[in-house]
Amino acid sequence: AQSVTQLDSQVPVFEEAPVELRCNYSSSVSVYLFWYVQYPNQGLQLLLKYLSGSTLVKGINGFEAEFNKSQTSFHLRKPSVHISDTAEYFCAVTATGGGNKLTFGTGTQLKVEL
Amino acid sequence: ETGVTQSPTHLIKTRGQQVTLRCSSQSGHNTVSWYQQALGQGPQFIFQYYREEENGRGNFPPRFSGLQFPNYSSELNVNALELDDSALYLCASSLKTGSTGNTIYFGEGSWLTVV
Repeated sequence: AQSVTQLDSQVPVFEEAPVELRCNYSSSVSVYLFWYVQYPNQGLQLLLKYLSGSTLVKGINGFEAEFNKSQTSFHLRKPSVHISDTAEYFCAVTATGGGNKLTFGTGTQLKVEL
Repeated sequence: ETGVTQSPTHLIKTRGQQVTLRCSSQSGHNTVSWYQQALGQGPQFIFQYYREEENGRGNFPPRFSGLQFPNYSSELNVNALELDDSALYLCASSLKTGSTGNTIYFGEGSWLTVV
């Protein structure tokens, strides 16, 4: 079984500042990793995913994440945030042979302030 | 726009009643999964259907059941509703080609309130 820990429930940040949202996972098998964003009253939108290859993954809206196998982490970063980035962000994991059954973290609320 | 549509968007039910939620997956996608997202929590996997057969189930009681139809649309049924069933129910579709990691597309969800 897999588990995901998002240590920060809320992250306030000023517009144009950099941000990092932390994600750690636990698994006894190889995994694929994902970041999803959820805007108020909406479903989940995929930001980026790590399947294999380069550990630095670039996604939509200027986000990127780095897979660190030794630290079992997959932190999400953006060098300069915008007001429109205010949303809930979820890290998720699935076993490589797990048939796309995702295990999610509890989410991090990113609040961008002027 | 993910191409995954869910209905209804909001509904209120009374404890003990039954509810059916519907999902139309993205064109060509043969795998559908359902997730429950309680307020302030991350989504939790309920079950997955692949080519009309259940293909994995999370830690949910049997009163949560589902169907997938030949056109790959799907239903989630919950019997004997409890107050704790109040949540956002998300449908997700993907193309299962034998390789996990295919992009999963989520619908906007159905908000269920049990009173």
